Amino acid sequence: GQQLNQSPQSMFIQEGEDVSMNCTSSSIFNTWLWYKQDPGEGPVLLIALYKAGELTSNGRLTAQFGITRKDSFLNISASIPSDVGIYFCAGRAGSGTYKYIFGTGTRLKVLA
Amino acid sequence: DADVTQTPRNRITKTGKRIMLECSQTKGHDRMYWYRQDPGLGLRLIYYSFDVKDINKGEISDGYSVSRQAQAKFSLSLESAIPNQTALYFCATSDSLAGAYNEQFFGPGTRLTVL
Repeated sequence: GQQLNQSPQSMFIQEGEDVSMNCTSSSIFNTWLWYKQDPGEGPVLLIALYKAGELTSNGRLTAQFGITRKDSFLNISASIPSDVGIYFCAGRAGSGTYKYIFGTGTRLKVLA
Repeated sequence: DADVTQTPRNRITKTGKRIMLECSQTKGHDRMYWYRQDPGLGLRLIYYSFDVKDINKGEISDGYSVSRQAQAKFSLSLESAIPNQTALYFCATSDSLAGAYNEQFFGPGTRLTVL
């Protein structure tokens, strides 16, 4: 099935550093979601984006809906150890569909 | 208390056994989903249900069946488990009345190992 390309696949960063990751698709999406999955837990919704160009923040997290509608970006500022986990993007193609396509995830490890 | 719960959280079984994974939610959502997660892959949809009388196949439904016993309960069955069904399974819910965006909320997952 269709999947989103998410990069990087994994990253190690120092505590306090900023983190950027992105998700790209060959299809246009109308909605982008960003989730975080902690080890042994289910994905938790972080940010939802509903229109092209939209920039939305949730604490130290900021996500953007790309203008082309084929990509989205997530930034984490001043990373802390509890930011460790897997970050997933999910995109939805149209208002008439329930279905989300999920990215393969970015595994983040923060070194104290 | 968790809004979406899954039981069991971990299960080890043998090839050929019948297994049922259960999902319950207190969010009052009408839509429920079962996904499978494998290392290096995104979540893949197995089945989904928009209400108690509605059941639909997702992209990887072969070898699985589901039952929507009530609005709050959605179970996934493996009639005859095989090793390549070893994976992490997630239940999710969404609310059709919450607007057009249909954000999905996930349970904690069930780790299934088929030997």
